[in-house]
Amino acid sequence: DAMVIQNPRYQVTQFGKPVTLSCSQTLNHNVMYWYQQKSSQAPKLLFHYYDKDFNNEADTPDNFQSRRPNTSFCFLDIRSPGLGDAAMYLCATSSPDRDISYNEQFFGPGTRLTVL
Amino acid sequence: RKEVEQDPGPFNVPEGATVAFNCTYSNSASQSFFWYRQDCRKEPKLLMSVYSSGNEDGRFTAQLNRASQYISLLIRDSKLSDSATYLCVVNTNTGGFKTIFGAGTRLFVKA
Repeated sequence: DAMVIQNPRYQVTQFGKPVTLSCSQTLNHNVMYWYQQKSSQAPKLLFHYYDKDFNNEADTPDNFQSRRPNTSFCFLDIRSPGLGDAAMYLCATSSPDRDISYNEQFFGPGTRLTVL
Repeated sequence: RKEVEQDPGPFNVPEGATVAFNCTYSNSASQSFFWYRQDCRKEPKLLMSVYSSGNEDGRFTAQLNRASQYISLLIRDSKLSDSATYLCVVNTNTGGFKTIFGAGTRLFVKA
């Protein structure tokens, strides 16, 4: 089945130790998104790629970076995780057949990050 | 004021009840609207898009009121399996794409 895959599902890191979360998709969608969701809060968009074009949200901290080496893969790098970065990180994809705003997003199962 | 606001609930209803959720948004230039469902510790999944004319999918009805800047979701004949958090999503693509999720309304359907 076509899907969005995130690895690992659970990640534990130490305060200040860089960590990379990965997302892959078999949907061949050209848009990929990264969200941060804290407990009982809304998913918050960090950035998205439209093909190779990177779009950063204005309030995304510099501590968060992303890479998209090809259509299928996208990575979230947290350079120096703080305790406040503990959250669920969700990857999503969409395939706009017209304006990007009109299309369903397909989410992966998420990676739950713990910072010690 | 939050850009997308929802009543957090929880809504506790018996099976068979009708329940309605509202969501308000602040950006009048918003273009598209969705309801997503999120089960506990799972990813969000699209429930339905919301069209200007209103739309229905089985027991679920979504409405959009652009003048008042709110959308609604009505669930009829609630099932135990409807227990979840319902997220309102508002998208804009004026001067750059923006997608805003509401914090969600939690629903518990009891036998």
